[in-house]
Parts: sequence; structure tokens; C-alpha cells
Amino acid sequence: GAGVSQSPSNKVTEKGKDVELRCDPISGHTALYWYRQSLGQGLEFLIYFQGNSAPDKSGLPSDRFSAERTGGSVSTLTIQRTQQEDSAVYLCASSSPRGLSGINGNTIYFGEGSWLTVV
Amino acid sequence: SQQGEEDPQALSIQEGENATMNCSYKTSINNLQWYRQNSGRGLVHLILIRSNEREKHSGRLRVTLDTSKKSSSLLITASRAADTASYFCATAQWGNQFYFGTGTSLTVIP
Repeated sequence: GAGVSQSPSNKVTEKGKDVELRCDPISGHTALYWYRQSLGQGLEFLIYFQGNSAPDKSGLPSDRFSAERTGGSVSTLTIQRTQQEDSAVYLCASSSPRGLSGINGNTIYFGEGSWLTVV
Repeated sequence: SQQGEEDPQALSIQEGENATMNCSYKTSINNLQWYRQNSGRGLVHLILIRSNEREKHSGRLRVTLDTSKKSSSLLITASRAADTASYFCATAQWGNQFYFGTGTSLTVIP
């Protein structure tokens, strides 16, 4: 697609339920990132996928959070047994190592985010 | 944490004035980028400066980088009300990983 696409754009869920957030990166982008942003706060890194390499999961806040990337394209972030503190905007981004700015000089492109509210 | 820190957290200026915001980071980097965020949604890339560069310009934007101090500044000249947004710096390490700072909220008063 032309840009990074995320769905749903808004999700309200009850505490304790599981949610899945989807990210469809820009075609051909090998790198995919998930970030979380609470209201009025900065971006919190969650997980990073790069090609076929093992993902960098160092930012996942607990074992209730997991993400996968199928076929090197679409990614799904899953939050199990949601808690109220999980309420945030979940931002996905993608980049290409061989972008216009050159290797390791590429920019990343963000989706519009998925706003999750846990009630 | 490898996350950067922006300073100030919030900045309010009159239209036409210049806005300066700073970013400090902790590890060696390949490049540093500035992003803008409107309305708490997706971020938009503004400018990239490589670790071997000291200053870069793009329109009304001027970015400096001091790798010895592990800091960068973003200057927006002749600010406009439409510049009101949150601004984030992002540092890229050699493995193509990006770490974002905490952001500066800029308000430009017409």
C-alpha cells in the first residue's frame, strides 16, 4: 500500500479481554516497529522486526504482550488479559534499509495508530 | 534506557518567533532524526542528520548535532500557528533500531 495501515483505528475493550492490533507496512519494507504512546507521553518502544532475523522484543512490558510478523509483511500485536494501564495509542512503523537516505540512514514511516481503551 | 530526552517538555511562543528544542541521547548513533506529531497520531519525518554531520537545514528547520555532547537541537524559524505540534528526536543505532525521546510540545500563539 501507499502507507502504513493500522487497524482498528479505535478499540474499546473490557478489562481481562484479549485484543489484536494489526499493522500492514509499506510494501517492500523489511523493518517493522511497534511503539506505545500513553496520553501526553513519549513513544515507548515495544518490538522490532527486521527481515528474517529474530525480533527485538526487549521493549515488551510483560508476557501479556506478544507480536508476530507473518511472511515478512503484516504484523499483529496481541495483548492478553488487558489491563486499564494498557490504554494507549499503539503505533506501527516500517522502514527500508535501502531507503532514499541510504543504508542505515533511512527514515521510518508511521501509521495513524490504534487507540486502545480498556474499561 | 537508550531513549533520548527532549528539552523543554513544553514550549509556548508567539507567531513569528523562533523555537528551539533540544535532544540528548546516551549511546553512539548512526544518525538522528526529528519527527513531528499532530493530535497524538502518526509521526511525520522532518529531517535527518548523520553522525558525521554537524548542521543541516530544510526550509525553516535547522538541526545541529554534537556527538561529543550526545545532543542535538532543532530550530524552527519564523514560527507559524500551524507549527503547533509535538516534536520528537529519534536516534538510530547501527542495527537500524530507532529510539525516540519523550518529546517537546510546541504551542505557537497566533
